[in-house]
Amino acid sequence: GAGVSQSPSNKVTEKGKDVELRCDPISGHTALYWYRQRLGQGLEFLIYFQGNSAPDKSGLPSDRFSAERTGESVSTLTIQRTQQEDSAVYLCASSLRGQHSYGYTFGSGTRLTVV
Amino acid sequence: AQKVTQAQTEISVVEKEDVTLDCVYETRDTTYYLFWYKQPPSGELVFLIRRNSFDEQNEISGRYSWNFQKSTSSFNFTITASQVVDSAVYFCALSEARDYKLSFGAGTTVTVRA
Repeated sequence: GAGVSQSPSNKVTEKGKDVELRCDPISGHTALYWYRQRLGQGLEFLIYFQGNSAPDKSGLPSDRFSAERTGESVSTLTIQRTQQEDSAVYLCASSLRGQHSYGYTFGSGTRLTVV
Repeated sequence: AQKVTQAQTEISVVEKEDVTLDCVYETRDTTYYLFWYKQPPSGELVFLIRRNSFDEQNEISGRYSWNFQKSTSSFNFTITASQVVDSAVYFCALSEARDYKLSFGAGTTVTVRA
């Protein structure tokens, strides 16, 4: 597509439930990133995909968080047994390669609220 | 370790005033990249500029200008003759050459009043 698409744009869930957040990168972009943005804060890195492999999962905050990617397309971030501290905007970005000479394009994010 | 500090949490100006956003960074690498992003109320992050550590030339793009000073580890951003549409959160970010992750500052909220 023309840009990075994320769905849903908003999600309200009850504490303890599982949620899935979806990211559709720009067609042809091999690198995909997930970031989390808590209210009033900057973005925290979660995970990086190059193709469908994830060479860096170091930012995932706990084993309740996991992500997968199908080929060089859609990625899903799953949060199991959600907690209130998981409430944040989850942003996805893609780039042509996992290098700085290629720009990152961010999606509009999924706003997750755990009640 | 990387660290980006944006000392100003919020700035409020009247239209047509200039506004400068400060960004100070820390890195032990000699090769790194600095970025500025704009986040309007819609939430999407809009790329504004990327500079590498070897290019200290200041840059101007329309009403935007950037001042990169390695000696003070700063990469400041100025909006000249601000407009209401400039109201947004602005993030400074850093990435080391061997890495692909962006380390973001906490952001500065700019409000331009008509």
